[in-house]
Amino acid sequence: DTEVTQTPKHLVMGMTNKKSLKCEQHMGHRAMYWYKQKAKKPPELMFVYSYEKLSINESVPSRFSPECPNSSLLNLHLHALQPEDSALYLCASSPRREPAAQFFGPGTRLTVL
Amino acid sequence: SQQGEEDPQALSIQEGENATMNCSYKTSINNLQWYRQNSGRGLVHLILIRSNEREKHSGRLRVTLDTSKKSSSLLITASRAADTASYFCAPYNQGGKLIFGQGTELSVKP
Repeated sequence: DTEVTQTPKHLVMGMTNKKSLKCEQHMGHRAMYWYKQKAKKPPELMFVYSYEKLSINESVPSRFSPECPNSSLLNLHLHALQPEDSALYLCASSPRREPAAQFFGPGTRLTVL
Repeated sequence: SQQGEEDPQALSIQEGENATMNCSYKTSINNLQWYRQNSGRGLVHLILIRSNEREKHSGRLRVTLDTSKKSSSLLITASRAADTASYFCAPYNQGGKLIFGQGTELSVKP
């Protein structure tokens, strides 16, 4: 299995909702990443997990809360988001947290009303 | 900023022509990677070139790296309509982060 899967594909939520984005890979990769991408812009790194431990947080607001329950799963918990948080959220993985290629999932298109 | 800056921002060519995209960056890198993104979808890794390499090929792709000029180029030969996508360079810095450039939007007309 050489895929990174993300669910849901689309999510619409209100500013008071709590929701979660899920990411899964079965390639045995030990580094996983969350990126945020606005329309016509490049992906921006949010979080990096290495061996299930958070190793980079790019000063992301606390309304985004990452979680890595095991080496195959990565969640992003969302609470009290703002309309400007609407974006494509991309998950990626790589064999280790080293300068290797990253494998990306198809993304979750999030709309905050 | 480590971010790669790409040129041109948009490129429109006919099928069969070659497409060249350029990337410049500001600080030392471990490697530089190129990714493709079809509209609104996930990114696909194309090629990785290490800082001690000058040129690399993969199928119809040719990447060059000039660390003295802090620049890289991606050449797609004999382009196809299916190559229509956004292309991003991503320098991998010493801090362990992949920082994406603004991207080049390539349109290949049949």
